[in-house]
Amino acid sequence: AQTVTQSQPEMSVQEAETVTLSCTYDTSESDYYLFWYKQPPSRQMILVIRQEAYKQQNATENRFSVNFQKAAKSFSLKISDSQLGDAAMYFCAWKDSNYQLIWGAGTKLIIKP
Amino acid sequence: EAGVAQSPRYKIIEKRQSVAFWCNPISGHATLYWYQQILGQGPKLLIQFQNNGVVDDSQLPKDRFSAERLKGVDSTLKIQPAKLEDSAVYLCASSPGQYSYNEQFFGPGTRLTVL
Repeated sequence: AQTVTQSQPEMSVQEAETVTLSCTYDTSESDYYLFWYKQPPSRQMILVIRQEAYKQQNATENRFSVNFQKAAKSFSLKISDSQLGDAAMYFCAWKDSNYQLIWGAGTKLIIKP
Repeated sequence: EAGVAQSPRYKIIEKRQSVAFWCNPISGHATLYWYQQILGQGPKLLIQFQNNGVVDDSQLPKDRFSAERLKGVDSTLKIQPAKLEDSAVYLCASSPGQYSYNEQFFGPGTRLTVL
């Protein structure tokens, strides 16, 4: 079965510090896309960052970067210089060959001022 | 550019009642998704439309849930009759196409409480 596992139900970090959220997935496919979405308390899901599996270079978007390890099927999200506005649920997801998103259960990120 | 619109934002009903949710996707987006998100879980796809055709509804409980996308734009999701376990947030999302690289844009969701 194709699954996405986020092993950290909750993480906390001091404002301005760096935090890494982990994600592993299970698939036999070789070409796919991976996503990190953010869902603040207002509930609107927003794309944070996207990675194409055939690209070896890790994606970066300002303070957000990923560590993509294809062989290990690992896709972690690093948030640098954490800000209060980063507090949210973070969901890891990958898109299979049927173009459907397979979602993890989410990690709640708490930012301590 | 206007985002995905959903209404209502909140709905409280009693079990066995009916309820309908409405979604207006981003203009020009061919693909529309309805998700159910139970508290503490990731979204679960209920149905996916490509224009006004159904691509996947394998996880839609068809004995009580129905959805339509007339004219390939707006969509409605209906539950009839509702059960306690239907309490969840119902998310609508749209994307330009269904392909792997296409980002999905989400609406604010409708929080349904079934008493």
